Amino acid sequence: AQSVTQPDIHITVSEGASLELRCNYSYGATPYLFWYVQSPGQGLQLLLKYFSGDTLVQGIKGFEAEFKRSQSSFNLRKPSVHWSDAAEYFCAVGANNAGNMLTFGGGTRLMVKP
Amino acid sequence: NAGVTQTPKFRILKIGQSMTLQCTQDMNHNYMYWYRQDPGMGLKLIYYSVGAGITDKGEVPNGYNVSRSTTEDFPLRLELAAPSQTSVYFCASGMTGSNEQFFGPGTRLTVL
Repeated sequence: AQSVTQPDIHITVSEGASLELRCNYSYGATPYLFWYVQSPGQGLQLLLKYFSGDTLVQGIKGFEAEFKRSQSSFNLRKPSVHWSDAAEYFCAVGANNAGNMLTFGGGTRLMVKP
Repeated sequence: NAGVTQTPKFRILKIGQSMTLQCTQDMNHNYMYWYRQDPGMGLKLIYYSVGAGITDKGEVPNGYNVSRSTTEDFPLRLELAAPSQTSVYFCASGMTGSNEQFFGPGTRLTVL
């Protein structure tokens, strides 16, 4: 069975600084990987996804993520954080033979200092 | 398209009461899911459905029931509410073969 670990429960960055949120997954074959963002009181919105091909994936709101098979990682990055990026971020992994199931990490809460 | 809609947004229940959380999607997705979200625990799958008339248990099904009589609707039933069911509940839907899921805005449930 697949699993996802997000090692950082909370991260605080200054506005304008760069951001990297870590995600490590466990799965025997090539996974489908996702990053979702949840603003306070809202549902989850898809930021980006990786199915195959180019390992650097561009998403909405200026985010990108890189799939590194050798490290079983799919870290999320943004070069310059805005105050509106404060939210909770979830990494998720799916398997192409698992009936569309997703396994979510525990989430990373991002706080942005002015 | 409204996407995935959930009602109610908030609800307070007393122990032992029952209620149904409603979920509707207008994207003609065959897959639908119910999750609960507890602080620091990510999302845990309660039940899912691969199409009308077909449902199956997820990771944490105890205390809940579901039905799927149409493609659009996937209600979640709590029969005897317990304080452990205090949580935020999310409904999601998806298409066959993509794993991508589209989420509703959630229902915040408190059981006192």
